[in-house]
This record gives sequence, C-alpha cells and structure tokens, in this order.
Amino acid sequence: GNSVTQMEGPVTLSEEAFLTINCTYTATGYPSLFWYVQYPGEGLQLLLKATKADDKGSNKGFEATYRKETTSFHLEKGSVQVSDSAVYFCALSDPGGATNKLIFGTGTLLAVQP
Amino acid sequence: KAGVTQTPRYLIKTRGQQVTLSCSPISGHRSVSWYQQTPGQGLQFLFEYFSETQRNKGNFPGRFSGRQFSNSRSEMNVSTLELGDSALYLCASSKTGQMNTGELFFGEGSRLTVL
Repeated sequence: GNSVTQMEGPVTLSEEAFLTINCTYTATGYPSLFWYVQYPGEGLQLLLKATKADDKGSNKGFEATYRKETTSFHLEKGSVQVSDSAVYFCALSDPGGATNKLIFGTGTLLAVQP
Repeated sequence: KAGVTQTPRYLIKTRGQQVTLSCSPISGHRSVSWYQQTPGQGLQFLFEYFSETQRNKGNFPGRFSGRQFSNSRSEMNVSTLELGDSALYLCASSKTGQMNTGELFFGEGSRLTVL
C-alpha cells in the first residue's frame, strides 16, 4: 500500500543552520506530496506542496522537490530560526486524486536553539 | 475568515461510554476529513465526507462513525470507548474534493482521554 517514511527526530539545530528533513514515499501512480507543520498547541498547517514530478514547492524559506526517480520529497531550509521549532509531517495524497485522504509520515520534531 | 472549529477541545470519558465530536468547516468548504493523532500511531485517516456522503474510510473498527450535515458541519462518534481511543482527533476541511487542486485546513483538535 501507499506509505510515507520520514527521518526520526528530534532534530536539534542552532539558529541559522541548514535544515534537511528526509522523506521518501511508496505509492502506485502519481500522488501529490505535501509538507505540513504543527506548532505547539496548534493544528496542522500546510507548509508546501508539489503535485507532479520535478515540481518544487516553496514557502517561508522552505523548499522541497518532488523526485520521482528517488521517490523522495526532502524538506530543506537554508537558515532556520527559533520560530521554526515545530513538528514537520510529510504526506501524500491518494494517487487517484478523487479524495482528500492524506497518508502521513510519523513526523519529525525540529528544535532550533538560539 | 473563521477557521475550522472543533468542539469540545478537551474531554474525559470512561471505558464503555460513547463520545460525539463536532467540526465546523470553513465557510464554503464541502469536504470534511477526520484524523486520529496518537504518539504511537501518528496521524491516521478516519473518514472523509463530501456533500453529506462518506467518500472514503480508514481502517478503524465500526465503533467509529461519522456524518455530515447539509451545512457541511460534521460529527464523529466513538461508541464503547476503549483506553486506546485516547487521542487528539483532528478535523480538516477543504473547498475541493481533490487534493491535487485543494488544500486541507485543520482545526486545533479535540483531545479525548479515556480512563
């Protein structure tokens, strides 16, 4: 079945460090890929998405590229801030597209220290 | 505009009881999905409703049920509660019925504790 695997956390970085959170997926067909972020005490928010191979999603300095050949969608940011501390979830949608069902990874806790 | 509203935010029940959680989607959104979030299993899809019809259901026992009303508000019900049902239940709404063109907007969740 379809699944998402993302790196275990927590990831602890100093402010202004480079961030990579790895995400790989298994899916039949061509799903859309997403990164959601959950700040403490809040619901999930869409961070970025990509709907087809080679698409790059970007938002708030974060980027991720849909790599069909490596079935990956790694999240990157060049310089993290303390305010980026949160849990990050990689997710994919049903490849058929006719649904709002998302399959999530286990989440990666990012802690940025000043 | 108002976001996705879930009520109640916190509740405590005992084993064997039942619970009903409510979700009001963003105005104009016709799709409502429910997810269960636990430390051990992460985020798991429960079901999705679109225009009052259940379109998709996750791998949960029949004790978990839901419905959607004509105003797009949704409720989910869990009967005969078990300790393992303790979780954060998240509701998400979307304007479209397809994720490749839409976006899910999540509420803050209802935290259920079963004693």
